[in-house]
Amino acid sequence: LAKTTQPISMDSYEGQEVNITCSHNNIATNDYITWYQQFPSQGPRFIIQGYKTKVTNEVASLFIPADRKSSTLSLPRVSLSDTAVYYCLVAPQASKIIFGSGTRLSIRP
Amino acid sequence: ETGVTQTPRHLVMGMTNKKSLKCEQHLGHNAMYWYKQSAKKPLELMFVYSLEERVENNSVPSRFSPECPNSSHLFLHLHTLQPEDSALYLCASSHGGGVTEAFFGQGTRLTVV
Repeated sequence: LAKTTQPISMDSYEGQEVNITCSHNNIATNDYITWYQQFPSQGPRFIIQGYKTKVTNEVASLFIPADRKSSTLSLPRVSLSDTAVYYCLVAPQASKIIFGSGTRLSIRP
Repeated sequence: ETGVTQTPRHLVMGMTNKKSLKCEQHLGHNAMYWYKQSAKKPLELMFVYSLEERVENNSVPSRFSPECPNSSHLFLHLHTLQPEDSALYLCASSHGGGVTEAFFGQGTRLTVV
């Protein structure tokens, strides 16, 4: 499984766009990039997955440069309810799900 | 509501007790997982079941005993636990023997006294 590095914590304010970057220098050809969100005392929730370029859904966007050695999760106009831990995972689609430490995002009024 | 239901939500047990955690999914998935999350630590993968067979046991102590009677149900039997086993225990399911999109239950908050 590719090693990932993401910030331990980030702070932002309501209404702002938040970008969380994940580094994965040794990503393999068959690896996908997946992000999960976890609220306190709850299970993680799948947010978005991509292989290259840009993916967008109703929750977030995922930007992946051509070399795929990093990725950026973009949360538009965050609210207090976006306060959570965000995990970046890099692995083949048929792979067990191993979580790192994630990024603890705190949103302030 | 993720389609994965865990019971009980909270459990307090003594070190000599025997209890079981239950997980149920109605998503038609054929792989199920147990994770442990201790305070301020990453989630630790404990067990993986694919097509009702255990395919992974990540060096989990024998005081934790999983059971998967069918593809919709997963149990974690607990006995003679230690206080350091207190944690949030999460169940997840996915379609296939391990894919990167999994659905998690709400978890069972276990306290061992």
